Amino acid sequence: EAGVAQSPRYKIIEKRQSVAFWCNPISGHATLYWYQQILGQGPKLLIQFQNNGVVDDSQLPKDRFSAERLKGVDSTLKIQPAKLEDSAVYLCASSHLTYEQYFGPGTRLTVT
Amino acid sequence: QKEVEQDPGPLSVPEGAIVSLNCTYSNSAFQYFMWYRQYSRKGPELLMYTYSSGNKEDGRFTAQVDKSSKYISLFIRDSQPSDSATYLCAMDGGSQGNLIFGKGTKLSVKP
Repeated sequence: EAGVAQSPRYKIIEKRQSVAFWCNPISGHATLYWYQQILGQGPKLLIQFQNNGVVDDSQLPKDRFSAERLKGVDSTLKIQPAKLEDSAVYLCASSHLTYEQYFGPGTRLTVT
Repeated sequence: QKEVEQDPGPLSVPEGAIVSLNCTYSNSAFQYFMWYRQYSRKGPELLMYTYSSGNKEDGRFTAQVDKSSKYISLFIRDSQPSDSATYLCAMDGGSQGNLIFGKGTKLSVKP
């Protein structure tokens, strides 16, 4: 079974630029999550999708972050404009059951 | 007080030692308790999950939950250098699926 795929793996941008991350979940997993993991911290949920609907985006900074999952499969997370404090690893996870979330390798973002 | 507290370590042990990793939490609504392992520059990997109180064993790994004390543990027996990683505890209130993670404990097992 293929795991969660993410791209790119690394991205370096300047502050105020925009960036987008892509995620392909495990086939058949209806629920998709985006997490932000700052160095030395545990992952923090940004947004949760059930199929193509948003379940929870309470911790998403909506003035600069957006996410979509148009066909209920792949998802993109965008940051525009980026700030220095957005430097982190962005993890995508998918699940069939809530407590069994499977994570991708993450995208390491550096904002300079 | 944070919802989930976890000592970040680092923790260094010799090969073959028994490792004890712990988390405390404040929200009594949590029902599922997970342990994830995260190798450097990789995504977290689910090791074990436990529902409510009790013990669960899987090979060299044992997870314990004490809901009365709001305390969970992960024990690793006969630790190996390949166990060197960051261990994250996570909890789920059983509703929509918002996992709350601890900061993670960085473990190093020396040969």
